[in-house]
Amino acid sequence: DSGVTQTPKHLITATGQRVTLRCSPRSGDLSVYWYQQSLDQGLQFLIQYYNGEERAKGNILERFSAQQFPDLHSELNLSSLELGDSALYFCASSVALAGKNTDTQYFGPGTRLTVL
Amino acid sequence: DQQVKQNSPSLSVQEGRISILNCDYTNSMFDYFLWYKKYPAEGPTFLISISSIKDKNEDGRFTVFLNKSAKHLSLHIVPSQPGDSAVYFCAASAPGGSYIPTFGRGTSLIVHP
Repeated sequence: DSGVTQTPKHLITATGQRVTLRCSPRSGDLSVYWYQQSLDQGLQFLIQYYNGEERAKGNILERFSAQQFPDLHSELNLSSLELGDSALYFCASSVALAGKNTDTQYFGPGTRLTVL
Repeated sequence: DQQVKQNSPSLSVQEGRISILNCDYTNSMFDYFLWYKKYPAEGPTFLISISSIKDKNEDGRFTVFLNKSAKHLSLHIVPSQPGDSAVYFCAASAPGGSYIPTFGRGTSLIVHP
């Protein structure tokens, strides 16, 4: 158990809909990352939040947005869903010490999104 | 353009033998490398890492080798066990910026009893 929790585990929805994925980081971790893993693809970085502020953006579509709340949990909002958005969405957390890139990320179990 | 490449999608090894998983990278700014292991229905878990100032790091049955001139790293598992069957992701990060590692696509290791 990494200490990172994600809900829901599975989500099935229709094209055009909007969903929200939730992540609670490990106790003490200030940074949250969101990744997408599509079939046969590696982990594609979407976005990072640090202590409530957006810190880095990756290949995140404009239809997607995220936020990190004062209690440090994070939500990833996916809207106007398309078939191609079907994927595993992982959240990870880390301490993210300033000035160091030797940071270990701890991943949650993921949310499997299926868009029909 | 993939900056971290794992060219073997899968690897099959007999229990007790050595498993060697390979990873190549193109960004010469990468100076920290990690391996993650992922079981089905679980998130990736950190396995081992290596800094660019080293060429080898060992942790029990797992050893990572780094060849900076070739921009290549490998993960050796000796001896391999059936419980090692998982997908292994190689990742690399560069100094500065936001600590975001770039991941490869993964290699699925199957260890046969």
